[in-house]
Amino acid sequence: GDSVTQMEGPVTLSEEAFLTINCTYTATGYPSLFWYVQYPGEGLQLLLKATKADDKGSNKGFEATYRKETTSFHLEKGSVQVSDSAVYFCALSENSGYSTLTFGKGTMLLVSP
Amino acid sequence: DTEVTQTPKHLVMGMTNKKSLKCEQHMGHRAMYWYKQKAKKPPELMFVYSYEKLSINESVPSRFSPECPNSSLLNLHLHALQPEDSALYLCASSQVANTIYFGEGSWLTVV
Repeated sequence: GDSVTQMEGPVTLSEEAFLTINCTYTATGYPSLFWYVQYPGEGLQLLLKATKADDKGSNKGFEATYRKETTSFHLEKGSVQVSDSAVYFCALSENSGYSTLTFGKGTMLLVSP
Repeated sequence: DTEVTQTPKHLVMGMTNKKSLKCEQHMGHRAMYWYKQKAKKPPELMFVYSYEKLSINESVPSRFSPECPNSSLLNLHLHALQPEDSALYLCASSQVANTIYFGEGSWLTVV
């Protein structure tokens, strides 16, 4: 079956540091890939997505590129802010039938001033 | 505008109570979902409605009863819950086979 593997957290960074959160996936078909963010006490927000190989999703300074050859979708940001502290979930959805999501375990990011 | 609205934000209920969680979307989405999220875990799918019909039930106990009155509304009726059912309940919606958008969630505490 489908699966998503994310790096373990928490990831602790100082403000303005470079961020990478690794995500790799296993899927039977050609999935769409997503990053969702969950701020403390809130629901999930879609951060970015990519629907086919070599697509780059971007939003709020975050980027991730759909790499089919390495089955990866790593999240990057050049300069993190304290307000980026949250839990980040990598997820995939097969592009057939119902668009149910397979989530990674989540990575907590803590950014200090 | 991608907005899924959930009420109430917080709910405390006893094990013999009957309560409901409500969800509304006005994006014209035809698929709606209930997820359950425990602390420090990813969301777990409970139910999927597609075109107002229950399409997926992930072996959820019958003390959780979903209802989709129309294409914009989704309810989750709760009865005889256990303390281990305390969690964040997330509603979501999407066009069928498309990106899923989540609401802010309802924090449920069973006492």
